[in-house]
Amino acid sequence: DQQVKQNSPSLSVQEGRISILNCDYTNSMFDYFLWYKKYPAEGPTFLISISSIKDKNEDGRFTVFLNKSAKHLSLHIVPSQPGDSAVYFCAAIANSGYALNFGKGTSLLVTP
Amino acid sequence: GAGVSQTPSNKVTEKGKYVELRCDPISGHTALYWYRQSLGQGPEFLIYFQGTGAADDSGLPNDRFFAVRPEGSVSTLKIQRTERGDSAMYLCASSLDFRDTQYFGPGTRLTVL
Repeated sequence: DQQVKQNSPSLSVQEGRISILNCDYTNSMFDYFLWYKKYPAEGPTFLISISSIKDKNEDGRFTVFLNKSAKHLSLHIVPSQPGDSAVYFCAAIANSGYALNFGKGTSLLVTP
Repeated sequence: GAGVSQTPSNKVTEKGKYVELRCDPISGHTALYWYRQSLGQGPEFLIYFQGTGAADDSGLPNDRFFAVRPEGSVSTLKIQRTERGDSAMYLCASSLDFRDTQYFGPGTRLTVL
């Protein structure tokens, strides 16, 4: 049973515009959320995280928003660059847990 | 500093054979994790080590899978009597401690013919 869902398998955005990647979760015990970026033939690279006590976390061009009541989070990339083209995974950890629960990923293509 | 490394990067084997996959975590990281990623899916948790002991092996699919971390650093994932369904990317991650950010290695692509 998929507890973390990324319903958009792919997204295409023009360079310079905003990319918004969405993620929904079903387990109310999740209290820590992360985004990983993955290039082909490489392992996932940590991008940004957010604790459930916050609703926003920002790091440079990347901002993650958390809406706990809706069990929804989103990653905003502004401005998008061609080098951002990769698969983005949303992941969540349960309260007092450690195992990452991943979504299936969203493939982002940023076109020049 | 050096990240998580995994060897081999690719492993092709025949059904029924035994394989070992190696993970070298970031120096000083006490926590080590193995995940498996099948095509079109996100990584799925297999096992978690804190130090030398397997604190949680609930994600191992069956008793053909086993992992060790004898000195609290390098870990080896062992798969006996491989099956075609074992074909996947096997990812290792390490973190400084329990619930710290997990950093992944490049993975081992296992193909069972």
